[in-house]
Amino acid sequence: GAGVSQSPSNKVTEKGKDVELRCDPISGHTALYWYRQSLGQGLEFLIYFQGNSAPDKSGLPSDRFSAERTGGSVSTLTIQRTQQEDSAVYLCASSLSRDNSPLHFGNGTRLTVT
Amino acid sequence: DAKTTQPPSMDCAEGRAANLPCNHSTISGNEYVYWYRQIHSQGPQYIIHGLKNNETNEMASLIITEDRKSSTLILPHATLRDTAVYYCIVRVALSSYKLIFGSGTRLLVRP
Repeated sequence: GAGVSQSPSNKVTEKGKDVELRCDPISGHTALYWYRQSLGQGLEFLIYFQGNSAPDKSGLPSDRFSAERTGGSVSTLTIQRTQQEDSAVYLCASSLSRDNSPLHFGNGTRLTVT
Repeated sequence: DAKTTQPPSMDCAEGRAANLPCNHSTISGNEYVYWYRQIHSQGPQYIIHGLKNNETNEMASLIITEDRKSSTLILPHATLRDTAVYYCIVRVALSSYKLIFGSGTRLLVRP
């Protein structure tokens, strides 16, 4: 079946511009997660959705970062006024629920801020 | 969440078994052991998880010691496509949606 789909796969933007990253989770998965992976670094948790609600936004680096989820499905991560340190691979994952179900990851969006 | 320790790199010959160790000496009774791998330019891929008993699926086997302080992921017949970074993670059931990824083990499968 279809896995987690993320778009675009690559995004190059100029410093100061806003970007939107999209995630289509696996159908029926109620939990959705955003992670960030900088070059040569481990995965950094950003935000978690259960349905359309985000019980934990503690990993968002600053108020320039926001995310929403609609219809219990698609999620958008928005970065306003991008900075060079925002350059990373942004990964989305989904799971059936938060109760010990494995997370299934997409292949990410590689964001480059010039 | 309990911390895990893995060797930074390993290699094995194609067709042989790859045995990847993980230490999690501070694991709690309700923490599961998860294994993921990440192939270059792809997102992490779920492999297997377990609590106390050994587990096997189509990808791998997971052997957890009786005291649960360490585990081994076994790829029975490694192929070149198994070259990846393998992450061992402990996760508390019902309360932890954050997977804490360490630095993992870089496995190189040699032809």
